[in-house]
Amino acid sequence: SQQGEEDPQALSIQEGENATMNCSYKTSINNLQWYRQNSGRGLVHLILIRSNEREKHSGRLRVTLDTSKKSSSLLITASRAADTASYFCATDGGSNYKLTFGKGTLLTVNP
Amino acid sequence: DTEVTQTPKHLVMGMTNKKSLKCEQHMGHRAMYWYKQKAKKPPELMFVYSYEKLSINESVPSRFSPECPNSSLLNLHLHALQPEDSALYLCASSGTGWESDTQYFGPGTRLTVL
Repeated sequence: SQQGEEDPQALSIQEGENATMNCSYKTSINNLQWYRQNSGRGLVHLILIRSNEREKHSGRLRVTLDTSKKSSSLLITASRAADTASYFCATDGGSNYKLTFGKGTLLTVNP
Repeated sequence: DTEVTQTPKHLVMGMTNKKSLKCEQHMGHRAMYWYKQKAKKPPELMFVYSYEKLSINESVPSRFSPECPNSSLLNLHLHALQPEDSALYLCASSGTGWESDTQYFGPGTRLTVL
């Protein structure tokens, strides 16, 4: 079964608005990562947050991690049409090499 | 150079064909991965090579055969595939694989099995 489960499955917003996506997972982790995938293309790494970190920023991205609740959130501020993509969280389940991806959130940013 | 390249971009093959997918990276990464992704689904791990040795095989059918000729190249040999094997096949690499390093993905090969 998938480690991560994103919520919502789909999100549609207007340009300039903020977008928040959530991820829940089931087992202990070393780190949690967020990836973006434009339609039919490869995944692009956005940010990695380690299990001992609670919040991390990268440009317009803000990621939080709550290991007690086994959940993470990705906030994209001041969204742009170019942010339209699927967003996946990925967890390592405490093991090396193996990432398990959540089902993803499809974000649509309308101009 | 932070690029992972994959060839071909698209591949159509019959169930009796033999074909290969290729992946290359020049970032000095020592772990390389094959994923399979069906439409509107997340990527699913198939194989992991670490230091050119097969580290993980996620119980993938033998009609998929991975090969790592050197630290920069990763192949996926395909034989006697089924229509349900049609998918986007993604290659990725990471520095060492320890503690699940950031993985860098190629653009994928879109495979259609007729």
